[in-house]
Amino acid sequence: AQSVAQPEDQVNVAEGNPLTVKCTYSVSGNPYLFWYVQYPNRGLQFLLKYITGDNLVKGSYGFEAEFNKSQTSFHLKKPSALVSDSALYFCAVRDSSGAGSYQLTFGKGTKLSVIP
Amino acid sequence: DTAVSQTPKYLVTQMGNDKSIKCEQNLGHDTMYWYKQDSKKFLKIMFSYNNKELIINETVPNRFSPKSPDKAHLNLHINSLELGDSAVYFCASSPGTSGYNEQFFGPGTRLTVL
Repeated sequence: AQSVAQPEDQVNVAEGNPLTVKCTYSVSGNPYLFWYVQYPNRGLQFLLKYITGDNLVKGSYGFEAEFNKSQTSFHLKKPSALVSDSALYFCAVRDSSGAGSYQLTFGKGTKLSVIP
Repeated sequence: DTAVSQTPKYLVTQMGNDKSIKCEQNLGHDTMYWYKQDSKKFLKIMFSYNNKELIINETVPNRFSPKSPDKAHLNLHINSLELGDSAVYFCASSPGTSGYNEQFFGPGTRLTVL
């Protein structure tokens, strides 16, 4: 079975400071990992993904994430937070072996609040 | 141009009624999904279709029936609505069933059952 954990329900950060939103995963094979963002009353938007290769992945709006196989983590980061980054962030995983099913498993989400 | 669209955006109805939510994607994708997001924002897959064929059917009451008339459309019909069906329902699509493809989400349909 595949699973993903986002240990923080909420992250508060001051504008201009670096931000990190944490994600850990569990799969039996190799993972495909994704970050999505949801703004209020909107659908999810894709930010970035890790499939293979370079452990540091860069995505939209200046976000990046680092895949760490030994720690089974895929934390989302941004060097300088903007107020407009305030949103709900979801980490998602799928086992590359396709074990079990085709679907993505989502974490419960982390609410990011950037304080002016 | 809207990539994945859903109608209606809001749906308020009484218990016991039957309702449908429509989804259309103009991305040329082969695979479409329905997700349910509950009041705690937890997101769970309900169904997935690939080229009009059902490939994922999670543990969902059989009151929920997806229908895909063509690969650009995936509609969700719900019979005998219950209070617990109140949620936001998202449609999504992806280029195929390969796990490395990101999914594109619609704006959601907020269903309220009274």
